[in-house]
Amino acid sequence: SAVISQKPSRDICQRGTSLTIQCQVDSQVTMMFWYRQQPGQSLTLIATANQGSEATYESGFVIDKFPISRPNLTFSTLTVSNMSPEDSSIYLCSVEASTYNYGYTFGSGTRLTVV
Amino acid sequence: AQSVTQPDIHITVSEGASLELRCNYSYGATPYLFWYVQSPGQGLQLLLKYFSGDTLVQGIKGFEAEFKRSQSSFNLRKPSVHWSDAAEYFCAVAAGGADGLTFGKGTHLIIQP
Repeated sequence: SAVISQKPSRDICQRGTSLTIQCQVDSQVTMMFWYRQQPGQSLTLIATANQGSEATYESGFVIDKFPISRPNLTFSTLTVSNMSPEDSSIYLCSVEASTYNYGYTFGSGTRLTVV
Repeated sequence: AQSVTQPDIHITVSEGASLELRCNYSYGATPYLFWYVQSPGQGLQLLLKYFSGDTLVQGIKGFEAEFKRSQSSFNLRKPSVHWSDAAEYFCAVAAGGADGLTFGKGTHLIIQP
């Protein structure tokens, strides 16, 4: 399956600032996905990132708060903007590659704490 | 839109006993179904998946799951659990390979010695 490198693994940020999370895949993939896992909760899809087009956001998530870039088929970034303590979560990158028979692989996540 | 229900928030099982974790989904067609495990402080690991074909799916670590269309269920089973199986288990569904996953709320598995 694809190997995903996600950076940073964790960070502590001041409220009102922004953090950009990077997701690097070891092979070209069509679809990349960003999820949020709030403390003690399940995962919620934030958006789907396709190369060459704007990301598609799920209900409750907006581009101004979570801008996403997808400059090529192996890389994507998620920015958490103007952070508040409610943004403290684990953010995970995921890919689906048809080559791998629709196995969704996840990065190890970025644990974000906003103080 | 699809949805996933995992009715058991916590399950406690004795080591060596059998295990069944329940998952029910809501979707108009046959979905893509998945089970993931998340150990404390760890990422998500795919246990098994179902797209089509044989409704009994074998996965890693001795897990299996059975797709039952009539019950809209995809329950996860293991004949004999080990202490290392203690973790959070998530059932997930996708409408297709180009769609993101919708997760259930998870079941926390506790293994008693």
